[in-house]
Amino acid sequence: KAGVTQTPRYLIKTRGQQVTLSCSPISGHRSVSWYQQTPGQGLQFLFEYFSETQRNKGNFPGRFSGRQFSNSRSEMNVSTLELGDSALYLCASSSTGQGTYGEAFFGQGTRLTVV
Amino acid sequence: AQSVTQLGSHVSVSEGALVLLRCNYSSSVPPYLFWYVQYPNQGLQLLLKYTSAATLVKGINGFEAEFKKSETSFHLTKPSAHMSDAAEYFCAVSPAYGNNRLAFGKGNQVVVIP
Repeated sequence: KAGVTQTPRYLIKTRGQQVTLSCSPISGHRSVSWYQQTPGQGLQFLFEYFSETQRNKGNFPGRFSGRQFSNSRSEMNVSTLELGDSALYLCASSSTGQGTYGEAFFGQGTRLTVV
Repeated sequence: AQSVTQLGSHVSVSEGALVLLRCNYSSSVPPYLFWYVQYPNQGLQLLLKYTSAATLVKGINGFEAEFKKSETSFHLTKPSAHMSDAAEYFCAVSPAYGNNRLAFGKGNQVVVIP
C-alpha cells in the first residue's frame, strides 16, 4: 500500500510570492490534515479536509488556505510569503471509519524556504 | 483544549541503557494518545497509540508506553537503547473519536552515546 506522497520535497521562494504544495493520501483515506513544523513553534495544525470540506482549522492567518479534490488529494496554498513561513510542511492522511482514533500517517514533507 | 507536555528537549542515553521519555496530557475527556518518531529530513512515523483498550501499549522497534490516568501520563520506554533510536520523538493527543486534529508536544531529541 503506497504511503502519503508530498510534492515537491524542497522549494525555495521569494518573499511576496505564493506557493502551492500537494499531497496524495493513502488510498481509501478521506481525511487529509496539514501541519507546519518549525524549530521555534514545533508542530502546529493548519487545517483538515474531509470529503472536500474543511472540517478543522488551526490558528493561522488567511494567507494559508487549502482544498481537497474528489479523489482526496489535497493542496495547500500560501500567498504573500513571509520569511517566517519557512518551515517543513507535513501532510497526514487518516482513515475515519469504525475503529479509527485519529492516528495520522505522514508524508515526508515539503521543505519551504522563503528568501 | 487538549494538550501534551514533554519536558527536556534533548535526552542523552547510553547505548544499551533504558530510554524514558515523559509525556503528560491535559484532557477533559478520555484522550487518544500517540507517540511518533521523526528521523532527519523525514516525516513522522507512528510508534504506538493508546485508545483505551489496554493501559500498556506495545509499539514498533521495542518501544512501549503506559497510560496512567491518575498521573495523566503516557511515558515512552525502551529497555535497551540502540544507535538507530537516535531521532526526535513526539507525543500527541487526539481530542475525540473521529477528530483528526492532533496536538503535539515540543518533542524530545534523543542522542544515543556509544
